[in-house]
Amino acid sequence: DGGITQSPKYLFRKEGQNVTLSCEQNLNHDAMYWYRQDPGQGLRLIYYSQIVNDFQKGDIAEGYSVSREKKESFPLTVTSAQKNPTAFYLCASSIGEGSGGYTFGSGTRLTVV
Amino acid sequence: GDSVTQMEGPVTLSEEAFLTINCTYTATGYPSLFWYVQYPGEGLQLLLKATKADDKGSNKGFEATYRKETTSFHLEKGSVQVSDSAVYFCALIMGAAGNKLTFGGGTRVLVKP
Repeated sequence: DGGITQSPKYLFRKEGQNVTLSCEQNLNHDAMYWYRQDPGQGLRLIYYSQIVNDFQKGDIAEGYSVSREKKESFPLTVTSAQKNPTAFYLCASSIGEGSGGYTFGSGTRLTVV
Repeated sequence: GDSVTQMEGPVTLSEEAFLTINCTYTATGYPSLFWYVQYPGEGLQLLLKATKADDKGSNKGFEATYRKETTSFHLEKGSVQVSDSAVYFCALIMGAAGNKLTFGGGTRVLVKP
């Protein structure tokens, strides 16, 4: 079955460390997205990519970095510059055209210890 | 810019009660409209969608009708179950390539036995 796989499901990080969250899709979607969700809150867009080797900042890109070297993969690095990284991170993909919605992964819960 | 406004939660209901979650939107054209559902600790799942005025999306007993005249896409279910407890997100996307989903803030629904 096609879908999006995020790993790991739970991640613990010490303060000052960088950590990378994985997102892989086998839907042949062109566009991929990273969102952050804080408890009881909505979704905030971190970065998105509409084509391989290209990506754009979303609303809250500071302290994060991404790459898009392959169509299937869009890893997110949470750097030590992100002051409050504890959150639930969601990856999504879409065909990038018109009326299609997004397909979401199951999320990664990052906790700074 | 485009925006989506949802009723704030939490909405607390008894089992078999009628559920309505209001959603209104602001957009410069004619968007496609979506409802997503998020169960605890999981990613978002597409619940239903409508791509043009007067379309009705339906799934798992939930329904929503695209009302252009009132710019609304209210979600309804006639008889909720405990398993419907979740957060529900209304969203829109414009038809042109490269446009991103715009989400509402989410509405938490709690169904008690």
